[in-house]
Amino acid sequence: TQLLEQSPQFLSIQEGENLTVYCNSSSVFSSLQWYRQEPGEGPVLLVTVVTGGEVKKLKRLTFQFGDARKDSSLHITAAQPGDTGLYLCAPIQGAQKLVFGQGTRLTINP
Amino acid sequence: KAGVTQTPRYLIKTRGQQVTLSCSPISGHRSVSWYQQTPGQGLQFLFEYFSETQRNKGNFPGRFSGRQFSNSRSEMNVSTLELGDSALYLCASSSTGAGTNSPLHFGNGTRLTVT
Repeated sequence: TQLLEQSPQFLSIQEGENLTVYCNSSSVFSSLQWYRQEPGEGPVLLVTVVTGGEVKKLKRLTFQFGDARKDSSLHITAAQPGDTGLYLCAPIQGAQKLVFGQGTRLTINP
Repeated sequence: KAGVTQTPRYLIKTRGQQVTLSCSPISGHRSVSWYQQTPGQGLQFLFEYFSETQRNKGNFPGRFSGRQFSNSRSEMNVSTLELGDSALYLCASSSTGAGTNSPLHFGNGTRLTVT
């Protein structure tokens, strides 16, 4: 059984600070997706990383896929209140389902 | 292109009743997945349908069921409601199916409260 852990579970920081959140698994996976969910809405895909060691940038967000394909991180530079939300990682392993981590609930205070 | 539409947005039911939730996927998407989201358990996979066939099912009791119609619209049904079924129910559509690199497009969910 795959164990998927996201950390920290909660994070509250001031606008302008940098932060990193993590997604770790006990299993190797072929690729991984990150989603962000804002209050009252469904999750929205941010990025899919597919190659071990891959780094993808989306404006102030930097996503990294671990070399061993068992972990990933999301780094936000100069966080803004609009970054507030629940960040979810989801390793892709086929099987016609997507399993999500518990998420990191991020609050950016103005 | 219209997004995923879930109806209703809010539901209040009493223990023992049953409920049916509806999901209209993005046009052209043949896969619909359902998830239950609670503060304690996070996003839990319920089932996935592709072209009217259930391809996978999560670890939920048989009270939770679903179906998909020929136009890809999907419904999920929960019978004999329990207090613990109170949750946000999300559906997501995808062109190639859950568990692939194709993104899941989520609706805004149905908030079910069981009293």
